[in-house]
Amino acid sequence: AQSVTQLDSHVSVSEGTPVLLRCNYSSSYSPSLFWYVQHPNKGLQLLLKYTSAATLVKGINGFEAEFKKSETSFHLTKPSAHMSDAAEYFCVVTMNRDDKIIFGKGTRLHILP
Amino acid sequence: NAGVTQTPKFRILKIGQSMTLQCTQDMNHNYMYWYRQDPGMGLKLIYYSVGAGITDKGEVPNGYNVSRSTTEDFPLRLELAAPSQTSVYFCASSPGTGPNTDTQYFGPGTRLTVL
Repeated sequence: AQSVTQLDSHVSVSEGTPVLLRCNYSSSYSPSLFWYVQHPNKGLQLLLKYTSAATLVKGINGFEAEFKKSETSFHLTKPSAHMSDAAEYFCVVTMNRDDKIIFGKGTRLHILP
Repeated sequence: NAGVTQTPKFRILKIGQSMTLQCTQDMNHNYMYWYRQDPGMGLKLIYYSVGAGITDKGEVPNGYNVSRSTTEDFPLRLELAAPSQTSVYFCASSPGTGPNTDTQYFGPGTRLTVL
């Protein structure tokens, strides 16, 4: 069975400091992994995705994530937080064997001035 | 190019009423999806469609019905509304390679309350 765990429900960082949002997954087969961002009262927007190509994936707005198979992780990072990064972030896993799409519960990122 | 549009934005229903949530995309995407998002939870897939005339159940289909008569439209029907269906509903679409690897494009959501 596949599952995804976002290890923190809330993360607070100061503007200009690094961001780390953690995501672990379990999957019986080769997974694809995604990070989506949801700003208040908006739909979700793709930040980046891993689909079995390069393990270090660069996304929009300076975000990146590294697929680590040995650690079953796909953590999202950004070197320097901006106020506009305040939002909810969802890690998503899919498997190449079926059409299941599993969302994590989300991490709300707060940016302190 | 409007992307994915959903109507209405908000709705309050009484128990037992029925309604249809509308979803339209103008990107000529093959795949379309309906999700619900409950407070503090991730999105859960209700139904999805791989093309006109083809639909399939997701993780939480009970209490809902869908149809896909055109590429553009994917309405979600609630027949007998129940308080457990109070949620925010998102429609999404993606190009043809499938939900495993596709980027999904989301609508702005419909906030539904059942009293």
